[in-house]
Amino acid sequence: LAKTTQPISMDSYEGQEVNITCSHNNIATNDYITWYQQFPSQGPRFIIQGYKTKVTNEVASLFIPADRKSSTLSLPRVSLSDTAVYYCLVKGYGGSQGNLIFGKGTKLSVKP
Amino acid sequence: NAGVMQNPRHLVRRRGQEARLRCSPMKGHSHVYWYRQLPEEGLKFMVYLQKENIIDESGMPKERFSAEFPKEGPSILRIQQVVRGDSAAYFCASSLDSFLGGYTFGSGTRLTVV
Repeated sequence: LAKTTQPISMDSYEGQEVNITCSHNNIATNDYITWYQQFPSQGPRFIIQGYKTKVTNEVASLFIPADRKSSTLSLPRVSLSDTAVYYCLVKGYGGSQGNLIFGKGTKLSVKP
Repeated sequence: NAGVMQNPRHLVRRRGQEARLRCSPMKGHSHVYWYRQLPEEGLKFMVYLQKENIIDESGMPKERFSAEFPKEGPSILRIQQVVRGDSAAYFCASSLDSFLGGYTFGSGTRLTVV
């Protein structure tokens, strides 16, 4: 499973766009990139998943360059409630390896 | 759909006792995963189960820990003879299959060993 590297923490202000970049240099051909959000005392919540180029949903956008060695989670106009830890994970399709490997994530603090 | 249900939410055990953590996956989900999280740490994978089968237990400690997902009923994570180092938040997740979409996590069981 590919290892990921992301900033330990980021600060932002309400209303700003936040971009969190994740490096996954040894991503495999069949790996997908997934982002989760975790609030204190809660389980992680799935945000978005992608394979290449750009994916957008009602919560966020995910940008993946052609070489797929990195990805960027974009949160538009953050609010105080977006303060959380954000995890970037890569996982391949198929086989018996069903587990996701979580790193320490990026602790995003949104200030008023 | 109530999502992934874990109980109890909080569990206090004395050293040497047994802890039993329960997880009911989302309706229709047959894949269950258990993770452990220490304070200020990321989640550590423990075990992946499908109905009546352990698929991957590479993250389970060799002793005292066991997991099951019977044909009927919730998945159970059992910790025998608990020690203070077992104090952590234990999260269960479920999925429709082992890959597509995301995993749905429960709110966790916070185990405190005194």
